[in-house]
Amino acid sequence: DVKVTQSSRYLVKRTGEKVFLECVQDMDHENMFWYRQDPGLGLRLIYFSYDVKMKEKGDIPEGYSVSREKKERFSLILESASTNQTSMYLCASSPFGLADSYEQYFGPGTRLTVT
Amino acid sequence: KQEVTQIPAALSVPEGENLVLNCSFTDSAIYNLQWFRQDPGKGLTSLLLIQSSQREQTSGRLNASLDKSSGRSTLYIAASQPGDSATYLCAVRQGAQKLVFGQGTRLTINP
Repeated sequence: DVKVTQSSRYLVKRTGEKVFLECVQDMDHENMFWYRQDPGLGLRLIYFSYDVKMKEKGDIPEGYSVSREKKERFSLILESASTNQTSMYLCASSPFGLADSYEQYFGPGTRLTVT
Repeated sequence: KQEVTQIPAALSVPEGENLVLNCSFTDSAIYNLQWFRQDPGKGLTSLLLIQSSQREQTSGRLNASLDKSSGRSTLYIAASQPGDSATYLCAVRQGAQKLVFGQGTRLTINP
């Protein structure tokens, strides 16, 4: 079974702190993704990466950065956390390529609260 | 720009009923469509994936159909159970990597 794990289920941080959210997958997938999920707005893509050290902006990259130093690990960084970044953060992975059989696998999520 | 819509936003039915959840999308140029389940406060669990060349997929009591030309997919749940209560999300894969999600249908099965 594909396994995507996230470092924390719940996290509480203060405004202005630097926050790291970690995601690890064990299926040797090339693609990794970070989404945030908010009531009424659904899931929105923040960043994705299709290879080590490669990244692409998603729909809402402002206020976030990412790091992918190893294939299995993808980190989301909030340089200076703000209250409007309180949300559920979901990581996902998938194989790279055009095959329509490729699906995304999601981790359990991190509920981040910024106070 | 691709838009995915799920109707209804919420649905409550008695246990044992068969039910249908709907998903529509505006651009038929998709690679595949996935149906997910999400329990409160949890991540997404993939239920079914329908490839662009397929018409339907089945897993146990679940059956998903895809009509690309009309931009529609349905998720059919047979003999519903209280354990089926969750939010169901559909997502289309557009481009090589990106998923576009609907807002979800919150399903409640009453014992």
